[in-house]
Amino acid sequence: EPEVTQTPSHQVTQMGQEVILRCVPISNHLYFYWYRQILGQKVEFLVSFYNNEISEKSEIFDDQFSVERPDGSNFTLKIRSTKLEDSAMYFCASSVVGGVVYEQYFGPGTRLTVT
Amino acid sequence: RKEVEQDPGPFNVPEGATVAFNCTYSNSASQSFFWYRQDCRKEPKLLMSVYSSGNEDGRFTAQLNRASQYISLLIRDSKLSDSATYLCVVNNQGGKLIFGQGTELSVKP
Repeated sequence: EPEVTQTPSHQVTQMGQEVILRCVPISNHLYFYWYRQILGQKVEFLVSFYNNEISEKSEIFDDQFSVERPDGSNFTLKIRSTKLEDSAMYFCASSVVGGVVYEQYFGPGTRLTVT
Repeated sequence: RKEVEQDPGPFNVPEGATVAFNCTYSNSASQSFFWYRQDCRKEPKLLMSVYSSGNEDGRFTAQLNRASQYISLLIRDSKLSDSATYLCVVNNQGGKLIFGQGTELSVKP
């Protein structure tokens, strides 16, 4: 069964450093998303991406965040200058066009720890 | 009012019990509805989409009442492996999913 994969599984970084979180969506999916979940809190939407551009972004997704699809398979989330409050699980998701369009399938997540 | 609101948990039930989760959403223009389950420190996994006519998948039954802006999930004959947090999820427009806080279920032998 195809699945979304994410690397690394855990990233520890110092405040102010840049991090890049990587995702490989399911191969025939065309919509890609990033969500985050701070420990003990609900899952929150960050950004959606379709046809090589951002479709929608939340208030959390400020100028410190960016997304990119550098090649035909990877989808990345970059945080330019990490803050302590960026510590969270970051989930990538993808969905296929057609059918129930917004059935999104999530990757296993990257745990980001900012010290 | 929260966009998606769920029963506070946790629910502690014995194996074989029937358990029901309730959820309300605030935006009457919401278009798609889902139940996900999330195991501790893992990703949300799609359990089922929820349709206006109601739908069933084995021991799981989901109902949607658009007039009341209410979604439910019923689990019959609960198993130990059903222990998880159940997330009510709504899509208003575009691809943005809005998650509820989740209801924790613990099934005991």
